[in-house]
Amino acid sequence: EIVLTQSPATLSLSPGERATLSCRASQSISGYLTWYQQKPGQAPRLLIYDASNRVTGTPTRFSGSGSGTDFTLTISSLEPEDFAVYYCQQRSTWPLVFGPGTTVDMK
Amino acid sequence: QLQLQESGPGLVKPSETLSLTCTVSGGSVSSSGHFWGWIRQPPGKGLEWIGSFSYDGSTYYKPSLKGRITISVDRSKNQFSLNLNSVTAADAAVYYCARHWEYWGRGTLVTVST
Repeated sequence: EIVLTQSPATLSLSPGERATLSCRASQSISGYLTWYQQKPGQAPRLLIYDASNRVTGTPTRFSGSGSGTDFTLTISSLEPEDFAVYYCQQRSTWPLVFGPGTTVDMK
Repeated sequence: QLQLQESGPGLVKPSETLSLTCTVSGGSVSSSGHFWGWIRQPPGKGLEWIGSFSYDGSTYYKPSLKGRITISVDRSKNQFSLNLNSVTAADAAVYYCARHWEYWGRGTLVTVST
């Protein structure tokens, strides 16, 4: 089973700052990495699939990159609504796995 | 617009079976090329994929739950269901159904207690 590690666990930033979130896989998952945003009391929201493809409705300030084992989600300039928990997920092989999440909170 | 809605008991006794149903509207569980799944989230913790099925009927389960979990589909009702037997406190969570992975239900909280 593939293990996903996310770092940092918590990122404390101010609006307007750049956020860089990391997701590392225990073995190569090619580009089959998905990013989600989750706010309290809400279902996760799909942001980016296959490492770098924004879904319709994802603001362009969100970008994803990486392949193999190392992936990054970048939020170029944080808006107040971006403070949330972010999860990565691999779909390269079964079983599907989520990372433990990175909390982006307001400094 | 595709919508999913979870339903089922919010309280299950230890050792009994957790049964949830996901009702799909605005689309079909039989539509080609799509996967549908269940994800859970214990209170205050992260997301855990527990199982999925594909349009061709194949099922996939989290290995640690195999033997306890069954996902089934009722195409006539446009629903799919989760059965998890022999539950313990560790199975208490918000359970989400989803169509991989853009469309999610709002989630339903399941508590395990006597």
